[in-house]
Amino acid sequence: AQKVTQAQTEISVVEKEDVTLDCVYETRDTTYYLFWYKQPPSGELVFLIRRNSFDEQNEISGRYSWNFQKSTSSFNFTITASQVVDSAVYFCALSEFIQGAQKLVFGQGTRLTINP
Amino acid sequence: DAGVTQSPTHLIKTRGQQVTLRCSPKSGHDTVSWYQQALGQGPQFIFQYYEEEERQRGNFPDRFSGHQYPNYSSELNVNALLLGDSALYLCASSVLGPYNEQFFGPGTRLTVL
Repeated sequence: AQKVTQAQTEISVVEKEDVTLDCVYETRDTTYYLFWYKQPPSGELVFLIRRNSFDEQNEISGRYSWNFQKSTSSFNFTITASQVVDSAVYFCALSEFIQGAQKLVFGQGTRLTINP
Repeated sequence: DAGVTQSPTHLIKTRGQQVTLRCSPKSGHDTVSWYQQALGQGPQFIFQYYEEEERQRGNFPDRFSGHQYPNYSSELNVNALLLGDSALYLCASSVLGPYNEQFFGPGTRLTVL
């Protein structure tokens, strides 16, 4: 079965520090997609990135970057020069496609607090 | 362009009652998925609807049922509510496909007393 593990339950840093959120996944599929979502206090999950299993290039988007390593089944997320607005719960998810339907398998989430 | 909308925002019910939650997908999307998120946990997949049919179901009892209408909007029904059903219920819409991005609504916070 598919599984996503986010071992860091909570992280607290001071503004402008860099922070990395870890994500480890398990799957028997050779083709799969990984996602990161942000959940602010309002509750709505906000899509951040999608990465397919054939593309191991690191991705950078502004202060955000992602490191995908198939060899260690990890898809880690780094925020550079963190800001208070980055405070949220972050979820890593793995896409599973069965019987013509897609479902996302989420990790437990990491609550990130950026202190001023 | 409106995103995914859900109603109501909050709901309080008592054990044994029944509840209906509603979701309107993002324009252009034909697939709706429902997730349950207990406090402090990640979302858990309930089921997905496409072409008015349930396509896949997670590990949830038959008390959880759904429906999708021709305009792609969807309902989640929960019968015989239990205290453990208290959670945030998230609706996500997408275009049918194995790895398409799912867009989430703001959720309905259900409290069962």
